[in-house]
Amino acid sequence: GAVVSQHPSRVICKSGTSVKIECRSLDFQATTMFWYRQFPKQSLMLMATSNEGSKATYEQGVEKDKFLINHASLTLSTLTVTSAHPEDSSFYICSASPGTKSYEQYFGPGTRLTVT
Amino acid sequence: GDSVTQMEGPVTLSEEAFLTINCTYTATGYPSLFWYVQYPGEGLQLLLKATKADDKGSNKGFEATYRKETTSFHLEKGSVQVSDSAVYFCALINAGNMLTFGGGTRLMVKP
Repeated sequence: GAVVSQHPSRVICKSGTSVKIECRSLDFQATTMFWYRQFPKQSLMLMATSNEGSKATYEQGVEKDKFLINHASLTLSTLTVTSAHPEDSSFYICSASPGTKSYEQYFGPGTRLTVT
Repeated sequence: GDSVTQMEGPVTLSEEAFLTINCTYTATGYPSLFWYVQYPGEGLQLLLKATKADDKGSNKGFEATYRKETTSFHLEKGSVQVSDSAVYFCALINAGNMLTFGGGTRLMVKP
């Protein structure tokens, strides 16, 4: 089946620094990639949707300048958390879709970010 | 807006027990409904889906029926195994074509 990887799986960074999370579709080309955030015992919240080569579409309440998303190729999207603060600590999950069916998303295993 | 509510976990069962994980939704129109499963250390995987009222989705012994009258999509399995231990997410897609997830329910099956 389709595989999506994320790197790193865990990262700890100091407050004020930036951290980049990579999301790769390993065996298919992803027309669309999605970034989610999951708080403990809560649902996945969609942060943004990105299509290869174009700007990401952010959900309401998500700061574009804080969560920079780049979808430079059909197999790679990156999320950069800039000037991280402890409240940014969370579980970030990406997914990739090869086509137009939104439910046909293949999810990465997630990245645990801890900001100290 | 659209929302999905799942029973809180964890749900702890013995092997071969019957499983029900409740899921109800709020949405306008006619959403499609899904169950995703996340095994430890892995990404979410689509488990089953139903696209219209009274449809039954099924996969790997799991079933869920789209009940429009009760706005529910409860997940069931007749006999769980240790390997079913995972987190289960109910979700819907509506006119906006984006997934809306429930909070997830952790299932722990003991031998």
